[in-house]
Amino acid sequence: QVQLVQSGAEVKKPGASVKVSCKASAYTFTSYGIFWVRQAPGQGLEWMGWINTYNGNTNYAQKLQGRVTMTSDTSTSTAYMDLRSLRSDDTAVYYCARDREAVIDYWGQGTLVTVSS
Amino acid sequence: DIQMTQSPSSLSASVGDRVTITCRASQDISNSLAWHQQKPGIAPKLLLYAASRLESGVPSRFSGSGSGTDYTLTISSLQPEDFATYYCQQYYTFPPTFGQGTKVEIK
Repeated sequence: QVQLVQSGAEVKKPGASVKVSCKASAYTFTSYGIFWVRQAPGQGLEWMGWINTYNGNTNYAQKLQGRVTMTSDTSTSTAYMDLRSLRSDDTAVYYCARDREAVIDYWGQGTLVTVSS
Repeated sequence: DIQMTQSPSSLSASVGDRVTITCRASQDISNSLAWHQQKPGIAPKLLLYAASRLESGVPSRFSGSGSGTDYTLTISSLQPEDFATYYCQQYYTFPPTFGQGTKVEIK
């Protein structure tokens, strides 16, 4: 069955960077895009961006422009989300999710990123 | 960006109750609406897409309806495993946007 397995929890200091990975299995990786969505503690879901895993094209949320980079490695069927200049309000669970013709149909298990001095 | 507004933000219901959650978009989204269920500490799960199409494996007690800007998710007979938070999400335009969630609690 389709699985998206994410890297483990991270604790970072303000100003640092974090890179979260998302390894896909049981489907053709380059046939589906990957969304990244985050959820701050006790809050709702916030779309961060999207990557076309076939050609590497990306589309980022305006509020994260300049701080976020999404990439993918087709040889390992893995997507990555790199967030820089971390702030306390970046503390959240970060999810990758599969894009099925714009529908989010499978979610990774989530990666907690805590930003604290 | 298209704004999605859910109501209510929370509700209390009993097992066996019929539950309806509403989602309103700030513009016509032409049925490009999905519903996701999230239980505490677990990733969301897709329930329905295209406003009314049930995702494979989802129980038939879940249904969706609506058009234009107004959509509903209905659980015909609430089961213990349905206590969760439900999010609507539009995918008519980029960026996809979510409602703020509706928490369904045990009465």
